[in-house]
Amino acid sequence: GDSVTQMEGPVTLSEEAFLTINCTYTATGYPSLFWYVQYPGEGLQLLLKATKADDKGSNKGFEATYRKETTSFHLEKGSVQVSDSAVYFCALSEGTSGSRLTFGEGTQLTVNP
Amino acid sequence: DTAVSQTPKYLVTQMGNDKSIKCEQNLGHDTMYWYKQDSKKFLKIMFSYNNKELIINETVPNRFSPKSPDKAHLNLHINSLELGDSAVYFCASSPSGTDYSFFGPGTRLTVL
Repeated sequence: GDSVTQMEGPVTLSEEAFLTINCTYTATGYPSLFWYVQYPGEGLQLLLKATKADDKGSNKGFEATYRKETTSFHLEKGSVQVSDSAVYFCALSEGTSGSRLTFGEGTQLTVNP
Repeated sequence: DTAVSQTPKYLVTQMGNDKSIKCEQNLGHDTMYWYKQDSKKFLKIMFSYNNKELIINETVPNRFSPKSPDKAHLNLHINSLELGDSAVYFCASSPSGTDYSFFGPGTRLTVL
């Protein structure tokens, strides 16, 4: 079955540091890939997505590129802020029209001033 | 103007009780879901409904029974609550022809 593996956390960085959170996936078909973010005490919000190989999703300074050859979708940001502190989830979906999301384990990011 | 709402936000109850969590979305989406997030933050799908019809039913104890009275609502009823049911339950919805979802704020269930 489908699965998503994220780098283990927690990750602690200083403000303005470079962020990478690794994500690799296993899927039978050609999934869409997502990063969701969960701020403390809140639900999940879609951060960015990519639907096919070599697509780059970007939002709020975060980027991730769909790499089919390495089955990866690593999340990056050049300069993190304290407000980026949250749990980040990599996820995949196979198919449209209400397909389920398969999530990675989540990575807790803490950014210190 | 909340998109996906859940009630209650917190639920504390005793083992053996029966409880319900309600979810409503005002986005006009056809598909709704229930996900469970355990204490380690791991998220897993439980159920999915499309236009009031059950389409995904993961390996979930039959003490859990979803009900969709209309396509804007998906409620989750849990019988004979157990300690291991303690978790955060998220409702989500997605529009037809898309592969992403909008999530509610979650319901933190604590079983004592």
